[in-house]
Amino acid sequence: AQKVTQAQTEISVVEKEDVTLDCVYETRDTTYYLFWYKQPPSGELVFLIRRNSFDEQNEISGRYSWNFQKSTSSFNFTITASQVVDSAVYFCALTRGNTGKLIFGQGTTLQVKP
Amino acid sequence: KAGVTQTPRYLIKTRGQQVTLSCSPISGHRSVSWYQQTPGQGLQFLFEYFSETQRNKGNFPGRFSGRQFSNSRSEMNVSTLELGDSALYLCASSLRTGNGEQYFGPGTRLTVT
Repeated sequence: AQKVTQAQTEISVVEKEDVTLDCVYETRDTTYYLFWYKQPPSGELVFLIRRNSFDEQNEISGRYSWNFQKSTSSFNFTITASQVVDSAVYFCALTRGNTGKLIFGQGTTLQVKP
Repeated sequence: KAGVTQTPRYLIKTRGQQVTLSCSPISGHRSVSWYQQTPGQGLQFLFEYFSETQRNKGNFPGRFSGRQFSNSRSEMNVSTLELGDSALYLCASSLRTGNGEQYFGPGTRLTVT
């Protein structure tokens, strides 16, 4: 069975701090895809990144970076120099290679205080 | 390009009634998926449609159904509403089924009283 675990329910930081959101996944598939989504208070899920199981290269996009480690089944997300606008619920998700069914973690609520 | 649109945005229904929610995908996207979000269960997959065919279905009772039209627009229907159906219903569209990036709409907030 596939499963995504985001152990951190809530994180609170002060602006400009770095913060890492953890994501651990379980799957028996060799081909799978991992995602991160952001859900601001407005409710709409915003796509951040997709990573396939064959690409373990870390990725950086501005203040965002992702660390994918198959050895530990983790796909962690770091925000550098956090800002108040980063406050949101962040979801990690997993899907098999042949299906559009996203399996989401429970989400991590990030609060960035000024 | 316009994003995914969902109508209505808010809905209040009474137990036992039925409801139809609509989703218009991003232009050119042929895959539409539906998710239910509740505080207790989180985000759960309902179903996925591609080229008018249901490709996948989540673990929801038969009261939940959906369809996709030839223009890729999709509707989902919930019959005999229960209090537990109160949730945010999110629609996502993707260029293709499978591993494609899914782009979500703003959701329909359904309240069942």
